[in-house]
Amino acid sequence: KQEVTQIPAALSVPEGENLVLNCSFTDSAIYNLQWFRQDPGKGLTSLLLIQSSQREQTSGRLNASLDKSSGRSTLYIAASQPGDSATYLCAVLGGIGAGNMLTFGGGTRLMVKP
Amino acid sequence: DGGITQSPKYLFRKEGQNVTLSCEQNLNHDAMYWYRQDPGQGLRLIYYSQIVNDFQKGDIAEGYSVSREKKESFPLTVTSAQKNPTAFYLCASSYRTGGTEAFFGQGTRLTVV
Repeated sequence: KQEVTQIPAALSVPEGENLVLNCSFTDSAIYNLQWFRQDPGKGLTSLLLIQSSQREQTSGRLNASLDKSSGRSTLYIAASQPGDSATYLCAVLGGIGAGNMLTFGGGTRLMVKP
Repeated sequence: DGGITQSPKYLFRKEGQNVTLSCEQNLNHDAMYWYRQDPGQGLRLIYYSQIVNDFQKGDIAEGYSVSREKKESFPLTVTSAQKNPTAFYLCASSYRTGGTEAFFGQGTRLTVV
């Protein structure tokens, strides 16, 4: 069964730091990987989608990479700001036992201090 | 505006009562999903639908039911058989189930009173 793990579970950094969030998955036979942001009590906002054939995607200060063979993805946030404080979730589509379903990691709760 | 609308935002259920959560999308998406999120935990899939009049159980379907009579709508009923229904419920949709981006609604928080 596909399993997704995110490390660290929580992260607190001062404003301006560059940071990396990690996501790993057990089965590399995925269709894509998606990074989401969730603010407290809110739904999920899609940040980046990486197809299985791609290595990375960029949007503004965000860069996500995918190494399918090793089952890993990283989300790089440059020059972090207090407004980046949220929970970041990664999800993979596909894999053993997952078919056409998204499997989510537990999330990384990020706090950026002014 | 295009998007996914969930209602209500907050819902309170008495013991033994069935309640229905609404999810509507105007994105012309084929696939729709229901997830449950408990505090400090990841999202778990309840049901998903790839096309009108068809749906499949996810990992935690017991105590829930769905229907997909229209492409735009995928309501979720939390039945009295669900023993621990207090949670945050999220609806999502995508153009098709394989390889495309999923979009989420703002969620419904269900509390048993």
